Amino acid sequence: GQQVMQIPQYQHVQEGEDFTTYCNSSTTLSNIQWYKQRPGGHPVFLIQLVKSGEVKKQKRLTFQFGEAKKNSSLHITATQTTDVGTYFCAGPYGNFNKFYFGSGTKLNVKP
Amino acid sequence: EPEVTQTPSHQVTQMGQEVILRCVPISNHLYFYWYRQILGQKVEFLVSFYNNEISEKSEIFDDQFSVERPDGSNFTLKIRSTKLEDSAMYFCARGSNQPQHFGDGTRLSIL
Repeated sequence: GQQVMQIPQYQHVQEGEDFTTYCNSSTTLSNIQWYKQRPGGHPVFLIQLVKSGEVKKQKRLTFQFGEAKKNSSLHITATQTTDVGTYFCAGPYGNFNKFYFGSGTKLNVKP
Repeated sequence: EPEVTQTPSHQVTQMGQEVILRCVPISNHLYFYWYRQILGQKVEFLVSFYNNEISEKSEIFDDQFSVERPDGSNFTLKIRSTKLEDSAMYFCARGSNQPQHFGDGTRLSIL
């Protein structure tokens, strides 16, 4: 079956430090999406990357899609306590109506 | 504000019983998804539903599960003869090859 792996599984940082999570797919993706899930909440869409090598920024968040469209990363600069949550990548498979989520990276930010 | 509403928010059921989880879209959409998230684990794709038919399903979605849109509005996930390992959050989402918009989820507890 399809595999979407993320590392690290957990990350504890001091407020102000940077954070990066990496996502790898076993197969090429047409696009990749990133979601954030706060504790006790539901996944919330952050961004979608479509083009090979694409880089997108949202304030302190930088998202990259690999040249081979099989990997992606999310980098947060100068983390804040509001960044706490689990970050998931997800990609469509099949005829785009099947989404597989990565294993997630749980970020904890100490004030 | 989620774009789909899920009921109930929490369902407690005896093992072996049937449960029906409901999802109501805020606006009219054709694509719907059900996901499962066991506590502390990743979001797992169950099934996608397009135009009143199953579009894709995962290995998890076996004969124990069924989905339907009985009245053209509510979108239901039925789990027959529940097992302890069915305890999880169940999320409904809408979207196609685009961002998934999740509901708040139903917490299913099997005793």
